[in-house]
Amino acid sequence: DAKTTQPTSMDCAEGRAANLPCNHSTISGNEYVYWYRQIHSQGPQYIIHGLKNNETNEMASLIITEDRKSSTLILPHATLRDTAVYYCIVRVGRGSNYKLTFGKGTLLTVNP
Amino acid sequence: ETGVTQTPRHLVMGMTNKKSLKCEQHLGHNAMYWYKQSAKKPLELMFVYSLEERVENNSVPSRFSPECPNSSHLFLHLHTLQPEDSALYLCASSQDLGQGYGYTFGSGTRLTVV
Repeated sequence: DAKTTQPTSMDCAEGRAANLPCNHSTISGNEYVYWYRQIHSQGPQYIIHGLKNNETNEMASLIITEDRKSSTLILPHATLRDTAVYYCIVRVGRGSNYKLTFGKGTLLTVNP
Repeated sequence: ETGVTQTPRHLVMGMTNKKSLKCEQHLGHNAMYWYKQSAKKPLELMFVYSLEERVENNSVPSRFSPECPNSSHLFLHLHTLQPEDSALYLCASSQDLGQGYGYTFGSGTRLTVV
């Protein structure tokens, strides 16, 4: 199963871009990279996912390197409400029983 | 509201009590999950259901008993719990188990065992 490595914590100034890195050097060709976040004491919230190409939605952008061994989640204009734990997850499993396994994630603190 | 509703939001129970957690989704999803999140620990997958059949049971003690009567509802029946079972219990659903589908989580039930 591919594993991910994320920094334990990061700080970002309000209004600036937050760039959250993730290493997944053992990712296989058919595994997706997912990003979720969890605001304190709430359920995780899906942000974005991708396979090879860069992706963008209303919440964030996902940049995946050409070799797929790392990726970066970009919040273009961070707000105080973006303070949360951000999880980078590689979808694992065999056949159709793919599971979503959470690690410790990165605690992003957006400062005023 | 995420589309996945969990009740109750908070629950305090004694070690000899029997209680149930409820999860409901009307997103048309076919797969549902129970996760446990203890203080300062990552989420732990407990059970996975697909089309009302259990497909995963991650070595969870028998004092936790899941039930999925239909594709919209998932229960977690609790009995003779221990204080270390105190945690946030999260329910999630996804379109199905296949690759490429994100999960929608509920807000969780904060359980305290006294």
